Amino acid sequence: SQKIEQNSEALNIQEGKTATLTCNYTNYSPAYLQWYRQDPGRGPVFLLLIRENEKEKRKERLKVTFDTTLKQSLFHITASQPADSATYLCALDQTGANNLFFGTGTRLTVIP
Amino acid sequence: KAGVTQTPRYLIKTRGQQVTLSCSPISGHRSVSWYQQTPGQGLQFLFEYFSETQRNKGNFPGRFSGRQFSNSRSEMNVSTLELGDSALYLCASSSLAPVTDTQYFGPGTRLTVL
Repeated sequence: SQKIEQNSEALNIQEGKTATLTCNYTNYSPAYLQWYRQDPGRGPVFLLLIRENEKEKRKERLKVTFDTTLKQSLFHITASQPADSATYLCALDQTGANNLFFGTGTRLTVIP
Repeated sequence: KAGVTQTPRYLIKTRGQQVTLSCSPISGHRSVSWYQQTPGQGLQFLFEYFSETQRNKGNFPGRFSGRQFSNSRSEMNVSTLELGDSALYLCASSSLAPVTDTQYFGPGTRLTVL
């Protein structure tokens, strides 16, 4: 069966450290993988998109890697801040037709 | 640019009723997708419309339907509501097609079925 698993439901990290979130998938062949942030009571906000032929993408303090052999994406937030506390979702797109399959999310808490 | 707007923000219905939710995409965006978010199942894709045509449909029963108007605004309808339909319904718009582009989500409509 198809699965998208994010490493843990919740992750606590000290301010200033690097947070690493994992997204593993089975029985998908994504053309794209995206990461979103969701705050309570709000819709997800797009952070980064990485294509199947890309290994790594960066944006400011964010970095995402994509390993299609391992069927895994890692999402890093460097120099984490309390404002980074939120739920982070990975999403796969197999067809490029805006049909996203989402993981269950990891709730990140950055402790001051 | 104004973001994606959804109305109403909150809705309470009883079992057996039907409901219509509305989504106005970002100006110029022609693709609108709908998702259901519940604590148990997470975010699940319902359907996607582009230029008034449904291009993709998720694995939901026929009670869930949608449409898109010529101005790209979209509505989704749920008939014969069940308790399990209680969820946050999110719509997202994007500009490029057919290639995936960033999806911009609205704040959602919180539907409670009693």
